[in-house]
Amino acid sequence: KAGVTQTPRYLIKTRGQQVTLSCSPISGHRSVSWYQQTPGQGLQFLFEYFSETQRNKGNFPGRFSGRQFSNSRSEMNVSTLELGDSALYLCASSPDGQPQHFGDGTRLSIL
Amino acid sequence: ILNVEQSPQSLHVQEGDSTNFTCSFPSSNFYALHWYRWETAKSPEALFVMTLNGDEKKKGRISATLNTKEGYSYLYIKGSQPEDSATYLCALTTDSWGKLQFGAGTQVVVTP
Repeated sequence: KAGVTQTPRYLIKTRGQQVTLSCSPISGHRSVSWYQQTPGQGLQFLFEYFSETQRNKGNFPGRFSGRQFSNSRSEMNVSTLELGDSALYLCASSPDGQPQHFGDGTRLSIL
Repeated sequence: ILNVEQSPQSLHVQEGDSTNFTCSFPSSNFYALHWYRWETAKSPEALFVMTLNGDEKKKGRISATLNTKEGYSYLYIKGSQPEDSATYLCALTTDSWGKLQFGAGTQVVVTP
């Protein structure tokens, strides 16, 4: 069974640009959650999607948004990138919320 | 925002020694406590999910206990091996949905 797939693995952007990250969950999983890890910080919850609806949201500005498609694949978008958005972004999937299986992450660098 | 705390932040263990570390969390609104192992350049791997006070889980040489009344969980590694080197994360959930609130982790380094 294929695991959680995140693309791209690495990304370099400049301030002010926007970026879209993709996550393909394990087949049959309907819940996808996103997390951010910045240097010196633990994993911070961004949001969770379940059956195409946002079910949970963390404390991040509106520049961070996401969506989920009917095949459960999810995308996360960050607009007007700031230097502080440089981080590892992890996606996790689950049949209905827990337990969660993580992807390898997308490392985003902002110049 | 829930405050999930892990201690110590890091520890160095000699191969063959046993060790343990702690995850503390608010005991109110508890649903489940998760432990993950995160090795460098890999994705976090689920170790245990515990929901009931007094729960004990075991996977090979690693085990965990849960005390929801006082708000803590211990993770034990028996006879540490170099392959146990990783960051161990605990995460709290307050409902069955997919919002995990992580502690900062305990980094374990096992030296031969």
